Amino acid sequence: KQEVTQIPAALSVPEGENLVLNCSFTDSAIYNLQWFRQDPGKGLTSLLLIQSSQREQTSGRLNASLDKSSGRSTLYIAASQPGDSATYLCAVIFSNSGYALNFGKGTSLLVTP
Amino acid sequence: DAGVTQSPTHLIKTRGQQVTLRCSPKSGHDTVSWYQQALGQGPQFIFQYYEEEERQRGNFPDRFSGHQFPNYSSELNVNALLLGDSALYLCASSLVPTGGMQYFGPGTRLTVT
Repeated sequence: KQEVTQIPAALSVPEGENLVLNCSFTDSAIYNLQWFRQDPGKGLTSLLLIQSSQREQTSGRLNASLDKSSGRSTLYIAASQPGDSATYLCAVIFSNSGYALNFGKGTSLLVTP
Repeated sequence: DAGVTQSPTHLIKTRGQQVTLRCSPKSGHDTVSWYQQALGQGPQFIFQYYEEEERQRGNFPDRFSGHQFPNYSSELNVNALLLGDSALYLCASSLVPTGGMQYFGPGTRLTVT
């Protein structure tokens, strides 16, 4: 079964810290991987998309890396701010499973002032 | 440029009733996917529509059906509602079925009593 796992489930850090969120997937044959942010009770905001042929993507204070061989992706957030508090979701499209995004359960991040 | 829009925002239905949720994709997008997100879980893929046809379906019963219109907007219909159908229903749009970033709407919160 193709699965996506995110660890830790929750994380609390003081403002200003750099932090890393982890995502692992069971099948290295992927089409792409996408990171999302979700505020409580809201929809998903697209953060970064990494195609299978890419190793990393950057947007502002966010950097996402992809290592297909080990089935891992990380989302690095630099100089965290209270406004970064949200749930971060990783989603993978596996190469042999059509067009569906397969999501992890997310990491709930709290950045304290 | 309007993003993905969904209506209604919230909905309360009684067990056994039928419900229709609506989605308008981001301007220029031709592919619409629907996801169900239970509380504390990652979204689960329901189905995807492209060129007015269902291209792929997730592990959901036939009570869940959909439609895509010529203007690319889409509807999700759920018949014979169960208490377990209570969830946030998310619509996502993209330019192509697989390769592009998927953009999500704000969701419709369905409560079945």
